[in-house]
Amino acid sequence: EAGVVQSPRYKIIEKKQPVAFWCNPISGHNTLYWYRQNLGQGPELLIRYENEEAVDDSQLPKDRFSAERLKGVDSTLKIQPAELGDSAVYLCASSLGLAGSTYNEQFFGPGTRLTVL
Amino acid sequence: GENVEQHPSTLSVQEGDSAVIKCTYSDSASNYFPWYKQELGKRPQLIIDIRSNVGEKKDQRIAVTLNKTAKHFSLHITETQPEDSAVYFCAFYSSASKIIFGSGTRLSIRP
Repeated sequence: EAGVVQSPRYKIIEKKQPVAFWCNPISGHNTLYWYRQNLGQGPELLIRYENEEAVDDSQLPKDRFSAERLKGVDSTLKIQPAELGDSAVYLCASSLGLAGSTYNEQFFGPGTRLTVL
Repeated sequence: GENVEQHPSTLSVQEGDSAVIKCTYSDSASNYFPWYKQELGKRPQLIIDIRSNVGEKKDQRIAVTLNKTAKHFSLHITETQPEDSAVYFCAFYSSASKIIFGSGTRLSIRP
C-alpha cells in the first residue's frame, strides 16, 4: 500500500515568489494535516482537514498561506508571496479520522524542503 | 497555551545502555500520548503510544510511562543499538483534538 505522497521533495525559490506543495493521502484516510517543521524543532500544525472541510486552521498565516482539499482527497498548500522565514520542511500527514474518543495514528509523508533565498 | 516540554534536547548513550526521554504537558484533558522517531532526512514515524487509562506500555525494547497527576510521560529505550540514533518527539492530543509535538531529543548511540 502506498503511503502519503508529497511533491515536490525539494524547492528553492527567491523571496516574494509563490510556491505550492501537493499531497496525496493514504487511500481511505479522511483526515489530512499540513505541518511546518523548522530545523531542530517538532512539527507545527498549520491546518487540518476532515474530508474537504478545514476544521482547524488557527495556526495558518492567512495573509500569505492558503490551502485547499476540494474533493476531500488530494490537498494543495500555497504560499504567496514567500518570505525568508518560510524556509522549512512542510509535512503532510493523514489518518483515518477522529471518531469520538478514538485517536487514529497519523502517517506522515516525506515532506517538501523549501528554501527561500 | 497548549504546549509540551521535552528533555533533554540531546542525549548520548553507550551502545547497550538505556535512554530515557521525558515530557511534561499542559493540557490536563489530554488522553493520548504518541511518540515519534525521525531519522535524518526522513519522515516522523510512530513508535509507541499510550492512552490515559494505563500507566505503562511496553513493546520489546521500548516502553512508555504516564503519570497523569504530574502531567509527565517518558520514553524508555533499553539495550540501545546504533539504529536507535534519531530524533524522538513526544506529543499529545490537546482537548481540541489537535496534536502538539515536543521540540525533540536528538539521541546518539556511541559504539
